[in-house]
Amino acid sequence: GDSVTQMEGPVTLSEEAFLTINCTYTATGYPSLFWYVQYPGEGLQLLLKATKADDKGSNKGFEATYRKETTSFHLEKGSVQVSDSAVYFCALSDRGGGNKLTFGTGTQLKVEL
Amino acid sequence: EAGVAQSPRYKIIEKRQSVAFWCNPISGHATLYWYQQILGQGPKLLIQFQNNGVVDDSQLPKDRFSAERLKGVDSTLKIQPAKLEDSAVYLCASSPSTVPYEQYFGPGTRLTVT
Repeated sequence: GDSVTQMEGPVTLSEEAFLTINCTYTATGYPSLFWYVQYPGEGLQLLLKATKADDKGSNKGFEATYRKETTSFHLEKGSVQVSDSAVYFCALSDRGGGNKLTFGTGTQLKVEL
Repeated sequence: EAGVAQSPRYKIIEKRQSVAFWCNPISGHATLYWYQQILGQGPKLLIQFQNNGVVDDSQLPKDRFSAERLKGVDSTLKIQPAKLEDSAVYLCASSPSTVPYEQYFGPGTRLTVT
């Protein structure tokens, strides 16, 4: 079945550091890929998405590129801020499976001054 | 635009008791999802509705969990009787039929079973 694997956290960075959170997936067919973010005390929010190979999703300075050859969708940001502290979830949607989302286990990011 | 509403936000019950959660999706969203998020894990889909019909309930423990979506709008998820392992955050999400893979999540209900 479909699955998503993320790097374990917590990831602790200083403000303005470069961020990479690794995500790889296993799926039949051609899924859409997503990054969701969960700020403390809040619900999951869609951060960015990519629907086909080589697409780059971007939002709020975050980017991720859909790499079919390596089945990866790594999240990057050039300069993190304290306000980026949250839990980040990589997910895929199998369009042949009713658009069900399959999530990774989440990676907690802590950004310090 | 109002987001997905859920209530209650927190619930503490003893094992073998029953509990119900309520969800009001974004207006006009045809698809509604219930997820279970156990601490330290990603959300897991329990049930998916398209309007008031069930699309996928393959991971719903049907001996104790039930869900309904009357009139294709609000939805209720019930657990009866609860077990300790049901302690989790229960998330409701909705998506528009025009962009079905974009799901909008509510704040969740945190259930603690003692």
